[in-house]
Amino acid sequence: GENVEQHPSTLSVQEGDSAVIKCTYSDSASNYFPWYKQELGKRPQLIIDIRSNVGEKKDQRIAVTLNKTAKHFSLHITETQPEDSAVYFCAARVQGAQKLVFGQGTRLTINP
Amino acid sequence: DGGITQSPKYLFRKEGQNVTLSCEQNLNHDAMYWYRQDPGQGLRLIYYSQIVNDFQKGDIAEGYSVSREKKESFPLTVTSAQKNPTAFYLCASSISISKGGSITEAFFGQGTRLTVV
Repeated sequence: GENVEQHPSTLSVQEGDSAVIKCTYSDSASNYFPWYKQELGKRPQLIIDIRSNVGEKKDQRIAVTLNKTAKHFSLHITETQPEDSAVYFCAARVQGAQKLVFGQGTRLTINP
Repeated sequence: DGGITQSPKYLFRKEGQNVTLSCEQNLNHDAMYWYRQDPGQGLRLIYYSQIVNDFQKGDIAEGYSVSREKKESFPLTVTSAQKNPTAFYLCASSISISKGGSITEAFFGQGTRLTVV
């Protein structure tokens, strides 16, 4: 079955700097890669996603890149702000399968 | 907030007891999921259901049971066979891939924190 590895487990950056979180997946048949943000005490919420036919997608300060050959995808947050502090999860879905497989999560802390 | 509701928010269980966590959604989603969240281990899939009266085991189904008698509801029972049940449990729902293709955002409930006392 699909396996998703996420790194790093914790990340601390200065406010205004960029943050990058990386995930690798095992099943080359995966075709959908969402990223979820979970603020302290709240539910995970989708922040951006990408399909396997696209190499990069941007939404304001966040972007996701996908390298199908290497089977990895990354979340990029630029000009980080204190409200970006949260746990971020990557996930992958194998084509034709219903379930999402999540990575282990990254706790991002933005230092003022 | 709305759409998918979990109850209770906090639950305490004595060892040896079964407990049931509630999950209700009004998003008209066919698919529903239960995940367990432990520190450093991400979200691990317990069970999921793509349609009423049908469900499949996830990666860590041992010690858990579910039912899907109604489209809106997907309760999870943590049985006494689950040796380490203390965790944060998240329910989610989404459009079925048979209707929405591969792009099916999962919407999460606010979670239930279960503690064994």
